[in-house]
Amino acid sequence: QLQLQESGPGLVKPSETLSLTCTVSGDSISNDNHYWDWIRQSPGKGLEWIGNIYYTGITKYNPSLNSRVTMSVDTSKNQFSLRLTSVTAADTAVYYCAKHIGRLNWFDPWGRGILVTVSS
Amino acid sequence: DIQMTQSPSSLSASVGDSVTITCRASQSIRNSISWYQQKPGKAPNLLIYTASTLQSGVPSRFSGSGSGTDFSLTISSLQPEDSASYFCQQTYITPYIFGQGTKLEI
Repeated sequence: QLQLQESGPGLVKPSETLSLTCTVSGDSISNDNHYWDWIRQSPGKGLEWIGNIYYTGITKYNPSLNSRVTMSVDTSKNQFSLRLTSVTAADTAVYYCAKHIGRLNWFDPWGRGILVTVSS
Repeated sequence: DIQMTQSPSSLSASVGDSVTITCRASQSIRNSISWYQQKPGKAPNLLIYTASTLQSGVPSRFSGSGSGTDFSLTISSLQPEDSASYFCQQTYITPYIFGQGTKLEI
C-alpha cells in the first residue's frame, strides 16, 4: 500500500529556507505517469497547490510561488523534496506531499502532513 | 487562474438528513473536479473525481454531479462520521485550485 511521509524542521526563521522531504513507500517514485506533489494548508489561505515533480526531474510550480520554490527527486532513496526560500510568517502552514497520476490531476494518497512554523 | 467558489462555508445537519455543497468555477472546467473530505488533524481524503466518480471504498451515500462551471457534492442519509470539512478542487489546469471548504457539523 502506497504511503507518503513528510519530514523536516518544524520551525524556520523568517528570511531563511524551508526544506522538506517526502519519503515514498509501497510504490516506486520512478513509475511512469506518477507525479509527486506538494500542497500546503494554512488557516488564512486554505489549501494551496505548490507544485509537482516527475521522476525525471521535470517540475511544474504554482506561479504564485515560482520564484521561491525548488523541487528535486532522489530515485535511489524513493524521495522527493521541497525548498522554499525567503520564508515569512505567511508561509506557516501544514505541508503535505501527495501523488497524482498523469493527466488525472487529483491527489491520492496524501501524506499525514507536517506543520512548519515561520518564527524567530 | 481558475477560481473555485465553494458554498456554504459551514452548515449543520442531523443524522439521516441530506446536504448539498456547491462549487462554482470561474470558467468551464468540463467535468474536471474532485472532492475531498478532511477530518481534524488529518490529511484530505479523496471522495470523488471527474465530478461524479466515487473513489474506491467511499460510501454510496456520497455523490457528485455537474459539468462546466457548476458542481455539487451531495451526502445523503448523514452519519455521525460525516462530520468533517469538504473541499472541491479543479483538476482541469495548473495551478490546481481548491475551494475554501465547507465545515459540516452533524
